[in-house]
Amino acid sequence: DIQMTQSPASLSASLGETVTIECLASEDIYSNLAWYQQKPGKSPQLLIYDASSLQDGVPSRFSGSESGTQYSLEINSLQSEDAATYFCQQHHDYPFTFGSGTKLEIK
Amino acid sequence: EVQLQESGPGLVKPSQSLSLTCSVTGYSITSNYWGWIRKFPGNKMEWMGYISYSGSTSYNPSLKSRISITRDTSKNQFFLQLNSVTTEDTATYYCARYYGSFDYWGQGVMVTVSS
Repeated sequence: DIQMTQSPASLSASLGETVTIECLASEDIYSNLAWYQQKPGKSPQLLIYDASSLQDGVPSRFSGSESGTQYSLEINSLQSEDAATYFCQQHHDYPFTFGSGTKLEIK
Repeated sequence: EVQLQESGPGLVKPSQSLSLTCSVTGYSITSNYWGWIRKFPGNKMEWMGYISYSGSTSYNPSLKSRISITRDTSKNQFFLQLNSVTTEDTATYYCARYYGSFDYWGQGVMVTVSS
């Protein structure tokens, strides 16, 4: 199975700041990566697909990038509603696998 | 708008089968892929499997022969059956549409395996 090592496990940032969450794939996944946001009691919401494409309706302060097998989610100009847990997920190979999640707290 | 809704028992006894239904509105399940994902206490997410527009299936090998995903196209529903459950199967179960990534999700149903 492809392992997705996600970091950090949690972070705290202030309104207006920029944060970066990373996922390291155990092998090349050829940009077949998605990022999701999940708020407590809600289902996950797709933010980014194919590593860097913004899902319709998602604010442009969210962006995705890649460098080799390292994938990053950047959130600019943090808003209070960005408090959530974020997951990466690869769909290059079966079984699809997820990162362990990053809990973002807004100070 | 595509909407998915899971339904099924919230409590299952060990060694029994877990059966869930995902009802889809706004889109036909004879297009794309339709999957089941679960989230364990502590946040770990696991892809369980999916059923395709043609009815073919793909499963996570970790679930071996315990899992079955089927569908009823006349009702636009698909189903999860997980056999021989243990307490390790306690999780929130989600159904979702797979279209290159999981773009539409149900609200999730919490299932506890306990005697």
